[in-house]
Amino acid sequence: SAVISQKPSRDICQRGTSLTIQCQVDSQVTMMFWYRQQPGQSLTLIATANQGSEATYESGFVIDKFPISRPNLTFSTLTVSNMSPEDSSIYLCSVERDGEQFFGPGTRLTVL
Amino acid sequence: AQSVAQPEDQVNVAEGNPLTVKCTYSVSGNPYLFWYVQYPNRGLQFLLKYITGDNLVKGSYGFEAEFNKSQTSFHLKKPSALVSDSALYFCAVRFLDNAGNMLTFGGGTRLMVKP
Repeated sequence: SAVISQKPSRDICQRGTSLTIQCQVDSQVTMMFWYRQQPGQSLTLIATANQGSEATYESGFVIDKFPISRPNLTFSTLTVSNMSPEDSSIYLCSVERDGEQFFGPGTRLTVL
Repeated sequence: AQSVAQPEDQVNVAEGNPLTVKCTYSVSGNPYLFWYVQYPNRGLQFLLKYITGDNLVKGSYGFEAEFNKSQTSFHLKKPSALVSDSALYFCAVRFLDNAGNMLTFGGGTRLMVKP
């Protein structure tokens, strides 16, 4: 298994500001994923982050809005930039290990 | 393109009765199939997966799922539902030839088990 922690667990932010979410894994992993889960909806992949290379973004998500860092094999950050109320969601970090995908507890973001 | 569908937004079951949560997928290759559960205010928890082998897969908390290739389905089942099974369930698919290893999730099904 994999133990994943995220900080902060929740936050309430003002429109136009930015928030950086941290994801820490208990051991080294090659690929880390960032998902968004809007209220009452399913999970949507934002991007895939490999250590040492730029993140790969899915359709509808861009680096300027969701910059990602992956400085080592156990850590990643996702920044939600210039936030609007439409960014209110749960943001989840995920890793793959031995064919299974594990998820962090999520960061619940509310933008006013 | 790969896709997965959960045709029911909500399933209501009486405690002690069998439950089924449906999942179908669209594929151009061989899929990995997963079920996850999300309890209120908690993260996603892995329930079970199908990669190859027996079509009936057993997972956590007494759940099982049956892979049906001809119907491209992977329905989640439990012989006797508990009130504590009430949660949001997600089916997900990944394909063996998908270099990105990303999961595609269904829309989710809310399971309500009533006493």
